[in-house]
Amino acid sequence: DAGVIQSPRHEVTEMGQEVTLRCKPISGHDYLFWYRQTMMRGLELLIYFNNNVPIDDSGMPEDRFSAKMPNASFSTLKIQPSEPRDSAVYFCASRLTSGDADTQYFGPGTRLTVL
Amino acid sequence: AQSVTQLDSQVPVFEEAPVELRCNYSSSVSVYLFWYVQYPNQGLQLLLKYLSGSTLVKGINGFEAEFNKSQTSFHLRKPSVHISDTAEYFCAVRYQGGKLIFGQGTELSVKP
Repeated sequence: DAGVIQSPRHEVTEMGQEVTLRCKPISGHDYLFWYRQTMMRGLELLIYFNNNVPIDDSGMPEDRFSAKMPNASFSTLKIQPSEPRDSAVYFCASRLTSGDADTQYFGPGTRLTVL
Repeated sequence: AQSVTQLDSQVPVFEEAPVELRCNYSSSVSVYLFWYVQYPNQGLQLLLKYLSGSTLVKGINGFEAEFNKSQTSFHLRKPSVHISDTAEYFCAVRYQGGKLIFGQGTELSVKP
């Protein structure tokens, strides 16, 4: 399996622009998580889905952030409009409900820089 | 509130020396405990996990951790580190509902 796939790996944009981050979870996994990592705040859970349904979005910082999971193999995290304080590494992770249920598999991350 | 505290933000150590990375969590209920490692410019990888049973858990790359319920701790140890162990290490706790709560991370720096 290719693991969790994220694109793009790096994104540089200007303040006010829309940014879309993409994630393909491991095939068959039914949970998907979006995290943000910064030096100041560490690793924060933004939102997670189970069977494509958002379960907990309490970590989403504000209305500028939105996430969707239209099907089991694809999710997006959108920031509109972007701000410099959104600069961070964004990780997607997935896991199974059963079997190796407690291991989250992380993607390589998207490094976002907002100028 | 649920929280995970990693007591050391940076741990410098010489190659072949032993190391312990400390982790404490807050909880009054059963939890699942994890250590993840993040190498530079990569995502996190699972090192080991405690779900139940023996309180001493062995993981990959020679690491082990001990669950201590009375002290609410889950410290990570390795008897002899290598240069390649240089990375950031994250302790995490899974509470009911499936969310992982991560600590702030400990940067392990192994020097020759």
